[in-house]
Amino acid sequence: EVQLVESGGGLLQPGTSLRLACSASGFKFEDYAMHWVRRAPGKGLEWVAGISWNSLSTGYADSVKGRFTVSRDNAKTSVFLQLNSLRTEDTAFYYCVKDNNDYLWGVFDQWGQGTLVTVSS
Amino acid sequence: DIHMTQSPSSLSASVGDRVTITCQASQDISNSLTWYQQKPGKAPNLLIFDASTLETGVPSRFSGDGFGTDFTFTISSLQPEDVGTYFCQQYDRVPFTFGPGTKVEI
Repeated sequence: EVQLVESGGGLLQPGTSLRLACSASGFKFEDYAMHWVRRAPGKGLEWVAGISWNSLSTGYADSVKGRFTVSRDNAKTSVFLQLNSLRTEDTAFYYCVKDNNDYLWGVFDQWGQGTLVTVSS
Repeated sequence: DIHMTQSPSSLSASVGDRVTITCQASQDISNSLTWYQQKPGKAPNLLIFDASTLETGVPSRFSGDGFGTDFTFTISSLQPEDVGTYFCQQYDRVPFTFGPGTKVEI
């Protein structure tokens, strides 16, 4: 059974930083691209970032480019999202998501339960 | 960026009804479209990819159609467990973008 378990969410002040982690199991992690998708309260889904199986290709939403960094450790079957210069509009549930391909294909076939990031002064 | 729109934004139907949601892309995305269902308090779940291919394990009452810029998603016979919000998403190019969602109620 595929499991994606996010951690690291919390209450932060604007301008601060946070690192989210996602631990994966139940599939051959090194064979698939991984992504982060968020949903702000009362709003829709927004793709945030993605990383290919070998970390050579990454992609970001315009809203987070230059502030967020996605990375992965295949030996630890984990993917990470470094969130810097946090803004109130970054408040959302952040989902760790598995792609059904090794590169940034964009079909999200498995989702974690999400971790809540709240940015407020 | 490719902008996705959906209609209606919400709908209420009876058990057994046929329900149809439309999704439109701001430019040609071929058949690079998925549909997800998100139930309250749960993570989204992939239902359809390549515009019309049903994900393994998804009930056959769900279907999708379309190509280019115009797409439809249909529930042939609405069931109580289908309550939730449905999102379309394009994966023709980065950044991947979602429609605003359609809330389905009984």
